[in-house]
Amino acid sequence: GQNIDQPTEMTATEGAIVQINCTYQTSGFNGLFWYQQHAGEAPTFLSYNVLDGLEEKGRFSSFLSRSKGYSYLLLKELQMKDSASYLCAVRDSDYKLSFGAGTTVTVRA
Amino acid sequence: ETGVTQTPRHLVMGMTNKKSLKCEQHLGHNAMYWYKQSAKKPLELMFVYNFKEQTENNSVPSRFSPECPNSSHLFLHLHTLQPEDSALYLCASSQAAGEGAETQYFGPGTRLLVL
Repeated sequence: GQNIDQPTEMTATEGAIVQINCTYQTSGFNGLFWYQQHAGEAPTFLSYNVLDGLEEKGRFSSFLSRSKGYSYLLLKELQMKDSASYLCAVRDSDYKLSFGAGTTVTVRA
Repeated sequence: ETGVTQTPRHLVMGMTNKKSLKCEQHLGHNAMYWYKQSAKKPLELMFVYNFKEQTENNSVPSRFSPECPNSSHLFLHLHTLQPEDSALYLCASSQAAGEGAETQYFGPGTRLLVL
């Protein structure tokens, strides 16, 4: 089966930076997604990486290293509304999407 | 605002009940998915429909029965469920299932409690 690991919880201060790491071992690779999920709400798409390197979208950036089976999501200038669960998902060689268990980020004032 | 809606948002049912979950997408997509999300566990893919045809059944027990009458609607029929089936059931849609970089868009989910 697929194996996707990410930390369970992280806490940071408003205005700070937090980096959420994701490591994966999958049967093939066809892209990595990051989703944000607020409690009781739908997961919403944040970013997609298929090539190595950094993708930047405003305060959020996502990095991928395929040779290391590693990605991170970087959240800058943290705001209270960024408190949520962040899901790492990898598409394998069969184009199936497998998810990590999610990282709950708590932003404190 | 999500283009994928789900009803009901919350459901409590006994083990002998029969109920159905409904999902509707307004994005013009051709693929729809059912996922199960349990506390502290990864999302588990249950079923995939591509152009109304079921292309994936991820070893889901027969007490869960999907139905896809058209590309915009997806149902999950539930009968004789077990307490361990209590979870958040998420529906998603994408342009198509298979090759390509299709992003999946999720509905808000149905929170199911089986007593």
